[in-house]
Amino acid sequence: DAGVTQSPTHLIKTRGQQVTLRCSPISGHKSVSWYQQVLGQGPQFIFQYYEKEERGRGNFPDRFSARQFPNYSSELNVNALLLGDSALYLCASSLDYSGANVLTFGAGSRLTVL
Amino acid sequence: KNQVEQSPQSLIILEGKNCTLQCNYTVSPFSNLRWYKQDTGRGPVSLTIMTFSENTKSNGRYTATLDADTKQSSLHITASQLSDSASYICVVSGTGTYSGAGSYQLTFGKGTKLSVIP
Repeated sequence: DAGVTQSPTHLIKTRGQQVTLRCSPISGHKSVSWYQQVLGQGPQFIFQYYEKEERGRGNFPDRFSARQFPNYSSELNVNALLLGDSALYLCASSLDYSGANVLTFGAGSRLTVL
Repeated sequence: KNQVEQSPQSLIILEGKNCTLQCNYTVSPFSNLRWYKQDTGRGPVSLTIMTFSENTKSNGRYTATLDADTKQSSLHITASQLSDSASYICVVSGTGTYSGAGSYQLTFGKGTKLSVIP
């Protein structure tokens, strides 16, 4: 079985640009969450989606948005990029939004903003 | 405020030696505690998950302990290998109703960076 897949793996953008990151969850998993991890820090929660509905939002500005598709894949969009948005963006999937489920993470998308 | 503190921040040990990583948390009410291993530039991989009633759980050479009374957990690595070099992240899940900040209510520690040298 394929794990959580994310694309692209690496990308470089300049300030003010927009970026879209993609995530495909494990087959059968209906919940997807997005995290931002800056170097040397633990992941910070951005969004959680379950059955195409937003179930949670972290403390991030409105420049960050996401959606989940009928096949449970998800996209994270970041507009008006800032230097501080440079980070590893992690997607995690689980069966549902219960806190008891194990999260399975993807390998991440490394975003560099110049 | 929910917090997870890990120590030490970084650790260097010789191959074959044992080590113990610490995690203290203030998350309340508590649901479960997880340890993840994260290789550099990769996503975290789950090692163990423990609920309130579990005191210890093993996964190969990794053994996690939990003291829910003192809100402390440890991850013990036995007979370390070079491939154990990674960051180890402690994650605590709270319980409660949907708060808008994520149904998981997961609180991540900053991790302990372990380097195993020959």
